[in-house]
Amino acid sequence: ETGVTQSPTHLIKTRGQQVTLRCSSQSGHNTVSWYQQALGQGPQFIFQYYREEENGRGNFPPRFSGLQFPNYSSELNVNALELDDSALYLCASSLQGGRYEQYFGPGTRLTVT
Amino acid sequence: AQKVTQAQTEISVVEKEDVTLDCVYETRDTTYYLFWYKQPPSGELVFLIRRNSFDEQNEISGRYSWNFQKSTSSFNFTITASQVVDSAVYFCALSEGGPGAGGTSYGKLTFGQGTILTVHP
Repeated sequence: ETGVTQSPTHLIKTRGQQVTLRCSSQSGHNTVSWYQQALGQGPQFIFQYYREEENGRGNFPPRFSGLQFPNYSSELNVNALELDDSALYLCASSLQGGRYEQYFGPGTRLTVT
Repeated sequence: AQKVTQAQTEISVVEKEDVTLDCVYETRDTTYYLFWYKQPPSGELVFLIRRNSFDEQNEISGRYSWNFQKSTSSFNFTITASQVVDSAVYFCALSEGGPGAGGTSYGKLTFGQGTILTVHP
């Protein structure tokens, strides 16, 4: 059984640029959630996708957007990058949205300069 | 609004000591789920346990045990006979649901700030 994978591992961008992060869900999981984890903090929920539709969103501005594909993989897009966007971005997959346990990938470390 | 508080920022123990990590939560939901995750230095969050609000039975898994008490809104985690490999950041989380697409509910995890556990040899 393949776990959750994310790419790239690390990324350095300049303020104002755009970035796309990718996530492949665990086999059999149809729900993907994205979290932002700043240094020394707990992860913060960005949004969740279930069967290719946004299925809930946290307190993040519209410049954070996403997609889910028919194979349940997902992308997180961030436009107009700000310095405060520097963080570890975690993707988690689970069954059927809802309140099942979420399995996390290794994360993408984004640095905005 | 839902909230999770892990009052212990850092804990340092010597190998073989028992250690308890505290977690207190706030929610208005009558049905909710609580979780513990471990984050080793590699960064990947590792799922440890899920507990629903109707099941107050304590759970033991090897050296790990969890004590859920609704009366005090606490969900504490104990490691017995700690080992160096237990060194990590531990997060308690609360699942918040709501109406989602197609009539489903979504599970947003609200995390605490985490407790850094260091086990010395």
